[in-house]
Amino acid sequence: DVKVTQSSRYLVKRTGEKVFLECVQDMDHENMFWYRQDPGLGLRLIYFSYDVKMKEKGDIPEGYSVSREKKERFSLILESASTNQTSMYLCASSRGDAGSGNTIYFGEGSWLTVV
Amino acid sequence: AQTVTQSQPEMSVQEAETVTLSCTYDTSESDYYLFWYKQPPSRQMILVIRQEAYKQQNATENRFSVNFQKAAKSFSLKISDSQLGDAAMYFCAFNPYNTDKLIFGTGTRLQVFP
Repeated sequence: DVKVTQSSRYLVKRTGEKVFLECVQDMDHENMFWYRQDPGLGLRLIYFSYDVKMKEKGDIPEGYSVSREKKERFSLILESASTNQTSMYLCASSRGDAGSGNTIYFGEGSWLTVV
Repeated sequence: AQTVTQSQPEMSVQEAETVTLSCTYDTSESDYYLFWYKQPPSRQMILVIRQEAYKQQNATENRFSVNFQKAAKSFSLKISDSQLGDAAMYFCAFNPYNTDKLIFGTGTRLQVFP
């Protein structure tokens, strides 16, 4: 069964802390994504990675960075967390060899609260 | 820039009835994909249905079907014989050609009443 695993479901962090959100997929997918979900705004793409060590900015990259050292793992980093980064974060993955229209597989999400 | 609009923040339906969720999008591309994703309270997003823009035939998956109007840039989801388990947030998503970076609408929360 396809699996995208986000290691932390619920986190509470203090303003200014460095935060790591980890995501692992077991499908040997080339593409991995980090989305942010907020009520009334839907899902917005933060960063996208199409291969190990390769990344592209999404629509809202400010305040975030990412790391992909291994194919199966994609980390989202908040260098200095702020209260406006309180949100639900969704990791996703897809095959990279079929152009577009692939099924995107999502993790269960990480609820981050910054106080 | 491509955009996706879901104008119904909330919808409700009685069990066994039919409901239609609306979605419109804006693009200048001719080749693309459209999706409906479901997000139940457990929060795991799952694919409901996919439509390829170059196919005129509307996609169907069991009780779920779409009405794809390419010229009108409209992509509505019809759920027939609604079940309590259909209660969820539904997101419409646009997939440009040659990438998997989806553009999502703001979602429609569907309630199903017994």
